Amino acid sequence: GAGVSQSPSNKVTEKGKDVELRCDPISGHTALYWYRQSLGQGLEFLIYFQGNSAPDKSGLPSDRFSAERTGGSVSTLTIQRTQQEDSAVYLCASSLDKDTEAFFGQGTRLTVV
Amino acid sequence: GDSVTQMEGPVTLSEEAFLTINCTYTATGYPSLFWYVQYPGEGLQLLLKATKADDKGSNKGFEATYRKETTSFHLEKGSVQVSDSAVYFCALQNPNYQLIWGAGTKLIIKP
Repeated sequence: GAGVSQSPSNKVTEKGKDVELRCDPISGHTALYWYRQSLGQGLEFLIYFQGNSAPDKSGLPSDRFSAERTGGSVSTLTIQRTQQEDSAVYLCASSLDKDTEAFFGQGTRLTVV
Repeated sequence: GDSVTQMEGPVTLSEEAFLTINCTYTATGYPSLFWYVQYPGEGLQLLLKATKADDKGSNKGFEATYRKETTSFHLEKGSVQVSDSAVYFCALQNPNYQLIWGAGTKLIIKP
């Protein structure tokens, strides 16, 4: 596709349920990032994938959060046992390499009720 | 740790006014600095960047100069338009390639 694609665009879930958020990066981009944009915390780094290297998970807020990137392309961010404080817009970005411009998707707005 | 501080908004200006949005940073070393813009209903877009001291990034009439001595990267535009209304984010890239963000400044331009 032309840009970074995220799905779903909106997700409402009940507290305690698991959710999966998907990111399709720009084809050929080796770097993929997840960020979270919330009212209380602003924009925060979550996780970074670079090629076949082990991901940088240092931004994940708890062990309920995990992410994987299959075949160096599509990435899935999973949140287990969702809490109300997980409500936020989850943004995915990709870049050709770690030093080049990051292109952002439109985000997934997650609401935990 | 690394951090970015930018002026709080909203900033409201009339069309053709001069714009400055202040941004200062705290970081070890000399990180790359960025301004991103988020137009209503759209995703984040890179507006401009600078990778070393005294570099000036520019795009769409916006400019920002990397000032090492004042650890600043203020965004300026000489004559704003209604279409510039958006939220502007200052950010730095740390040595681990993570973007560290300011809180964002909402800009409202009135005709």
